Amino acid sequence: NAGVTQTPKFRILKIGQSMTLQCTQDMNHNYMYWYRQDPGMGLKLIYYSVGAGITDKGEVPNGYNVSRSTTEDFPLRLELAAPSQTSVYFCASTRGEGAGNTIYFGEGSWLTVV
Amino acid sequence: DQQVKQNSPSLSVQEGRISILNCDYTNSMFDYFLWYKKYPAEGPTFLISISSIKDKNEDGRFTVFLNKSAKHLSLHIVPSQPGDSAVYFCAALRGDSSYKLIFGSGTRLLVRP
Repeated sequence: NAGVTQTPKFRILKIGQSMTLQCTQDMNHNYMYWYRQDPGMGLKLIYYSVGAGITDKGEVPNGYNVSRSTTEDFPLRLELAAPSQTSVYFCASTRGEGAGNTIYFGEGSWLTVV
Repeated sequence: DQQVKQNSPSLSVQEGRISILNCDYTNSMFDYFLWYKKYPAEGPTFLISISSIKDKNEDGRFTVFLNKSAKHLSLHIVPSQPGDSAVYFCAALRGDSSYKLIFGSGTRLLVRP
């Protein structure tokens, strides 16, 4: 089972460049999320989606954009990359029921902005 | 304003002993509390959860205790094993909030052989 797949795993960006982090899940989950984790910190929610065509901001949305054209895919777009966006990014998904134990995370994407 | 706090950034215990990881929260509207385990270069994986209507949940070597009056929960690992060495995140969510997890900052557990 693939679960939640993120690409790329590692990326170095120059200040001002743009890029898209890809996330896809094969579990037919309605809910998808993008989190970022800075060193020594917990995960902060960037954007989330409760279904295809529906997205909403999380705690730290500035500098990012998302789209959800299909149930499977939830790409995260970084526009005009800044050093403050150096972080590890995690995509997650869930069917949206129960105690949250069915929230699955991808393996992470390490992004460095120089 | 941190709604979920893990005040101990690290913990070291001897193999076979008990590990106790603590977590405090401020929002009394949380419905569920979860513990995630994270190894380096991997995503968080679910470990155990507890509903706000319970005060204890057990799964093998892992037990989570919830004290609602103190807004405090703890994860007990007995006996601790070297493979338990990882970062443990406490998280909380409200059932009416699109299952958005609010995370603590994590505690790095080292189990010494």
